[in-house]
Amino acid sequence: EAQVTQNPRYLITVTGKKLTVTCSQNMNHEYMSWYRQDPGLGLRQIYYSMNVEVTDKGDVPEGYKVSRKEKRNFPLILESPSPNQTSLYFCASRASSYNEQFFGPGTRLTVL
Amino acid sequence: QQQVKQSPQSLIVQKGGISIINCAYENTAFDYFPWYQQFPGKGPALLIAIRPDVSEKKEGRFTISFNKSAKQFSLHIMDSQPGDSATYFCAATLNTGGFKTIFGAGTRLFVKA
Repeated sequence: EAQVTQNPRYLITVTGKKLTVTCSQNMNHEYMSWYRQDPGLGLRQIYYSMNVEVTDKGDVPEGYKVSRKEKRNFPLILESPSPNQTSLYFCASRASSYNEQFFGPGTRLTVL
Repeated sequence: QQQVKQSPQSLIVQKGGISIINCAYENTAFDYFPWYQQFPGKGPALLIAIRPDVSEKKEGRFTISFNKSAKQFSLHIMDSQPGDSATYFCAATLNTGGFKTIFGAGTRLFVKA
């Protein structure tokens, strides 16, 4: 089944404790992206990647890191999480420009 | 700031009625305008999308109307059904030189049976 998977689905952590949210897609897609969803703000793009080792900032990259060492994986790293990073995070992938973007199931992160 | 403004925030429609959601964008470099549907606890899923060289696109009960000069586009859901109750997001994507996507704030649609 074609899908985007994220782990963990739920995470509660404390300020300053480094964490990684994994994202993997099995569709051989070139493009991958991370978004955060907050009430009243819609989805905001954090980082995106157009291919292996090619990444760029979205609208809200501060406090996040990404890497794309393999085509299928695009982990999101929070080096020192803060409470304002409490949010619902989505990973997404698509084959190329003008193609459908497929979203993962989401990761709900709470930073205390 | 590259914004996409979406209205209304929420919408209640009778079963069989027409639901209309509007979006406006600022950056004329956007070249792809998708609409997503999201159910509670799920990720957004593509509903329908349009490119700016087309003024209208219809897929089943869903239609996008696009006005390039006004920098506005809208989603029309004909014969709205209770199963259409969800949150809808418009978006605008820059495909040249990157993959930047800006989403609207979302519209919560409730279709009354």
